[in-house]
Formats: sequence, C-alpha cells, structure tokens
Amino acid sequence: EAQVTQNPRYLITVTGKKLTVTCSQNMNHEYMSWYRQDPGLGLRQIYYSMNVEVTDKGDVPEGYKVSRKEKRNFPLILESPSPNQTSLYFCASSYHLQGSYEQYFGPGTRLTVT
Amino acid sequence: QKEVEQDPGPLSVPEGAIVSLNCTYSNSAFQYFMWYRQYSRKGPELLMYTYSSGNKEDGRFTAQVDKSSKYISLFIRDSQPSDSATYLCAMSEYGGATNKLIFGTGTLLAVQP
Repeated sequence: EAQVTQNPRYLITVTGKKLTVTCSQNMNHEYMSWYRQDPGLGLRQIYYSMNVEVTDKGDVPEGYKVSRKEKRNFPLILESPSPNQTSLYFCASSYHLQGSYEQYFGPGTRLTVT
Repeated sequence: QKEVEQDPGPLSVPEGAIVSLNCTYSNSAFQYFMWYRQYSRKGPELLMYTYSSGNKEDGRFTAQVDKSSKYISLFIRDSQPSDSATYLCAMSEYGGATNKLIFGTGTLLAVQP
C-alpha cells in the first residue's frame, strides 16, 4: 500500500526547543515536499526535494531546515521553534513523468509552540 | 492579490446535486492544474491532474481549465454525503513534482443526505 508516514502526529513544545518531524514514503518517489496549513492561508510549501541531497526552498522556509540523506526519508527540523510556527504540517511525495503524475500526502503533524 | 483565489464556502447542497467548485488565478504561466480533496483531520488526496486547457473526466468528477480566462473548475455529478470535504485547487508552471505548487485556500463542501 502506497503510504507516507509522519511522526509525531501531535506535538506540544516550548519556544526554542529543537524538534524534528520525520517523514517516510514507501513508493520510491524522487520528489518530496513539506507544507504547512494555516486557516485562511491554505497550504504553503516550506521546502521540497528533487532527489537525495537535492533540496530547495519553497514559499515559507524561514525557521526550518530539511535534509534528504535517503530517498525514502525527508525530515523537517525546527532548530528554535517559535509560536508563529504553530501549524498543521504535511509531508508529501510525488512522481511525475510524461503526463503521469501521482502524489501522496502524509496524515499531518499538528504542532503547537508555546 | 493572491496568485490563486478560491471561494472558501461553505457550500451546502442536497444529495444528488451537481457541484461546481472554482478557482481563479493571476499567473498566466501556470500550465499544470490539480484538485485535491481533504477530509477533516486528514491529508489532502489528489483527485484530478490536468495539463493546459480542456476537460478531464474521471468517474463523477470533471476538471475543466480555461486558460484564457484564468479559471479552473471541478464538477461533481450525483454528489454523495461522502463527498463532504474541503476541496483544494493547486497549480504550477512546470509540473506537480518538479516545482512548487501554489494552492488555493480550499472550499468546504457539505452534501446533505
């Protein structure tokens, strides 16, 4: 079964305490992305990765880091979380070749920073 | 002005109705257009993926793109209570996986039994 998993699903933390949200996919997709979803703002891309060791900024990368050391994993790192990073985060993986496109999102991670 | 505009709804229709969901956009370079369905407390699910102008049909769903008007639509025929969800449009210049997607804010749909 095609699957994108994220952990943890829920996290409450305090300002400044480093955290990592993991993302893993089992479809051997080359492309992976992180999004945050906020009321009234929709989904906004944080970072995306085109392959192992290849990443690029999305629309809202400030305060976030990513790494892609293995094809299946794409962790999101918040070095020093702040309350404005309280949001619902989604990881996605996708495949695109000559008109064929598939994309799967993870179940989401709800982060609260106090 | 946002690059992609989408009426937030909520849109409430009776079971069996034809639903029309719409997005407008300002960037004429967009060529790839997508529709997603998102149930409460779940991740988005890709429904339709189209390139350039025209129609694409998949079961009860039809996606329509009018690039001259910068307007895309998703039609749902014979709507069911299970279609109740938030529908998101998204678009990009170079494809869904090779470049960043710009999402609309979503339209909440409720299909009443």
